Amino acid sequence: DQQVKQNSPSLSVQEGRISILNCDYTNSMFDYFLWYKKYPAEGPTFLISISSIKDKNEDGRFTVFLNKSAKHLSLHIVPSQPGDSAVYFCAARVDMNYGGSQGNLIFGKGTKLSVKP
Amino acid sequence: DAEITQSPRHKITETGRQVTLACHQTWNHNNMFWYRQDLGHGLRLIHYSYGVHDTNKGEVSDGYSVSRSNTEDLPLTLESAASSQTSVYFCATGVDRMGNKQFFGPGTRLTVL
Repeated sequence: DQQVKQNSPSLSVQEGRISILNCDYTNSMFDYFLWYKKYPAEGPTFLISISSIKDKNEDGRFTVFLNKSAKHLSLHIVPSQPGDSAVYFCAARVDMNYGGSQGNLIFGKGTKLSVKP
Repeated sequence: DAEITQSPRHKITETGRQVTLACHQTWNHNNMFWYRQDLGHGLRLIHYSYGVHDTNKGEVSDGYSVSRSNTEDLPLTLESAASSQTSVYFCATGVDRMGNKQFFGPGTRLTVL
């Protein structure tokens, strides 16, 4: 049973516009969420994260929004650039106070973003 | 600069062979992880280690083993390679006990014929 779901396998956006990548989760015990970006033939790289006690975190062009009641988070990229074309993974961590293992993350299947010039 | 290296980057082997994938890190992180990435499955945790001589099974550990004899290395061994183990394998290290983020190596593409 998939606990972290990225239901859109791909997304295409025009350069300069906003990219919105979505992630849904089922486990109420997740306390921390992360987004990773992955280019072909490279390992994933950390992009941005958010604690479950917050609803928004911003870092430059990247903003992550968390809606706990809906068990939904989204990554906004504004403005989108061709270099943002990559696969984006949503990941979540189970609160250690509720049986989560130290540092273990559960990943979604990823969304491939294509930003067209 | 601190880094994570994986070797080999590409490997082709035959069913039934033992294969070891190397992971070496110079971050001096205690936490190390092995994942596999398959189309339609994202990243799935195979094994992980919180320190020297500590190893734990992840979500998809069957057919794999790890050992941790020092901080820097966590080799992943496929005892008897199967075609279902054809995948891209990523090693990662954890920056702190909270696991707030992980740093990934470049990956090893393994093909089992």
